[in-house]
Amino acid sequence: DAGVIQSPRHEVTEMGQEVTLRCKPISGHNSLFWYRQTMMRGLELLIYFNNNVPIDDSGMPEDRFSAKMPNASFSTLKIQPSEPRDSAVYFCASSLRGGQDTQYFGPGTRLTVL
Amino acid sequence: RKEVEQDPGPFNVPEGATVAFNCTYSNSASQSFFWYRQDCRKEPKLLMSVYSSGNEDGRFTAQLNRASQYISLLIRDSKLSDSATYLCVVNRKTGNQFYFGTGTSLTVIP
Repeated sequence: DAGVIQSPRHEVTEMGQEVTLRCKPISGHNSLFWYRQTMMRGLELLIYFNNNVPIDDSGMPEDRFSAKMPNASFSTLKIQPSEPRDSAVYFCASSLRGGQDTQYFGPGTRLTVL
Repeated sequence: RKEVEQDPGPFNVPEGATVAFNCTYSNSASQSFFWYRQDCRKEPKLLMSVYSSGNEDGRFTAQLNRASQYISLLIRDSKLSDSATYLCVVNRKTGNQFYFGTGTSLTVIP
């Protein structure tokens, strides 16, 4: 069975450029989560969706970050404009019924902003 | 105060040793507890859930102490393949949010 799929796996961009990260959750899962992981801060929840609706975006760092989930099988996380401090690994995860269930993580996107 | 706190380690233990990790959580309303494992440059993966009565899965034993608000993970007979970062995860009674600890690094030495 396919797990959570993320693309691209690696992204190197220059400061000021727009970055779009993509995620396909496990089919049938109703909740989707975007995380950011850095050495300094560990794994931080940015935003999560339940049934395609954003429930809590309090973890989104600032207005430069936005996330969408137009349908149950696709989500994007966009950073515009990107800054060097955005360099991190961004994980997407999905679960069957939200926070009470196991979250399954994608392989992550390693973002480097020069 | 952080939702979840872990000793970052690193823990360096010889093969065959027993090692224990502890994790504390701040919100007494927390309801679900998990240990995740993350290998270097990989995604976190569920190792085991933690149940109120404690639970065991092979060489791994997880315990929950609600009164003191901590959970623990015990690994017996450590293998080289156990080398990884172990993340403590807590979920509140309300809401869908998981709170991850920063992880405890374990290296098992031959």
